[in-house]
Amino acid sequence: EAQVTQNPRYLITVTGKKLTVTCSQNMNHEYMSWYRQDPGLGLRQIYYSMNVEVTDKGDVPEGYKVSRKEKRNFPLILESPSPNQTSLYFCASSPTGGNTEAFFGQGTRLTVV
Amino acid sequence: QKEVEQNSGPLSVPEGAIASLNCTYSDRGSQSFFWYRQYSGKSPELIMFIYSNGDKEDGRFTAQLNKASQYVSLLIRDSQPSDSATYLCAVNGGTGFQKLVFGTGTRLLVSP
Repeated sequence: EAQVTQNPRYLITVTGKKLTVTCSQNMNHEYMSWYRQDPGLGLRQIYYSMNVEVTDKGDVPEGYKVSRKEKRNFPLILESPSPNQTSLYFCASSPTGGNTEAFFGQGTRLTVV
Repeated sequence: QKEVEQNSGPLSVPEGAIASLNCTYSDRGSQSFFWYRQYSGKSPELIMFIYSNGDKEDGRFTAQLNKASQYVSLLIRDSQPSDSATYLCAVNGGTGFQKLVFGTGTRLLVSP
């Protein structure tokens, strides 16, 4: 089954404790991205990757890191989480980028206390 | 000016009616337009995409695009309570138009 898998689905952590949210896709898509979704602000792109070893900042990259060492995986790293990073996070992949359909993971609800 | 604008709603329609959802975008170079449906707490899922001016129909859904007016809409015919969700308009943009830019969504409520 074609899918984008995120883990964990839910996470509560404390300020400053490094965490990683994993994302994996099995569709051989070149393009992957991370979004955060907040009430009233919609989906905002954090980082995106157009291919292995190619990543770029989205609209809200501060406080986040990503890497793309393999085509299927695109982890999101919060090195020192803060309460303002409490949000619903989605990973997405698409064949070639913004001109094609994006497939979303199930979402990760992160709470930073 | 926001890149993609939608009325947040809620848009309330009775069961069986036509729901009309609208979206405007700022980047005239945008070429790809998408409508996603998102149920509360779930991930967005694609409903329709449209690339050319005019109408595109798929079952009960019709997407309409007017590039001159920078306007895209989604019509849902014979609305059902199960259509109650937030509908996200997305437009390709950014350098090389590689990004997918989302509106904040319109919440649709279909009452039985």
